[in-house]
Amino acid sequence: QVQLQESGPGLVKPSETLSLTCTVSGGSLTNFCWAWIRQPPGKGLEYIGYVDDSGRTNYDPSLRRRVSLSVDTSKSQFSLKLTSVTAADTAIYFCARLSGEASRPEWFDPWGQGTLVTVSS
Amino acid sequence: VIWVTQSPPLLSASTGDTVTISCRMSQGITSYIAWYQQKSGKAPKLLISVGSNLQSGVPPRFRGSGSGTDFTLTISDLQSEDFATYYCQQYYSFPYSFGQGTKLEIK
Repeated sequence: QVQLQESGPGLVKPSETLSLTCTVSGGSLTNFCWAWIRQPPGKGLEYIGYVDDSGRTNYDPSLRRRVSLSVDTSKSQFSLKLTSVTAADTAIYFCARLSGEASRPEWFDPWGQGTLVTVSS
Repeated sequence: VIWVTQSPPLLSASTGDTVTISCRMSQGITSYIAWYQQKSGKAPKLLISVGSNLQSGVPPRFRGSGSGTDFTLTISDLQSEDFATYYCQQYYSFPYSFGQGTKLEIK
């Protein structure tokens, strides 16, 4: 079955760029949308955005000015970049597949295990 | 933006009890709601989609209901493995949004 695995630095300095990659195994990126969700410590889930297999993106309005998602189908990977980070961006970052057709994505399933990113000097 | 209000934030119950978690949407979403279970240190797990469709492998003691703006997740005959945090999520329109979560703890 499809499995997702996040990777990237666990510590980022304030004002710098957070970069994460999600590697997909057991399935193709084609015809699906691929998402990032984050969870600040002890808090709830926050939608960040998604990228489809053609590179079309959708971002949460609160992060739109700072976030960029991309996809590399040849490597079965998709990536997140978040610029000008602050302590408020400290969170567990999850990648996930959006079910349904790329033209009408639906729920998040499956999810990666998540990776904690701490913003601190 | 569709705002999601989930209640209660904390629910104390005993094994064998039946509990209900509610989500209210700021506008109608037909049945475009999913429910997730998250255990400590783990990723959320999809339980229910399209309001009431149980995912494969999810026990039938989990039941989703509702349409429009008001939805409920009912868990009957609580088992020890059910104590976790539950989230609802609307996928009617972007940005997709989650409820604040309900932590189900052992009384």
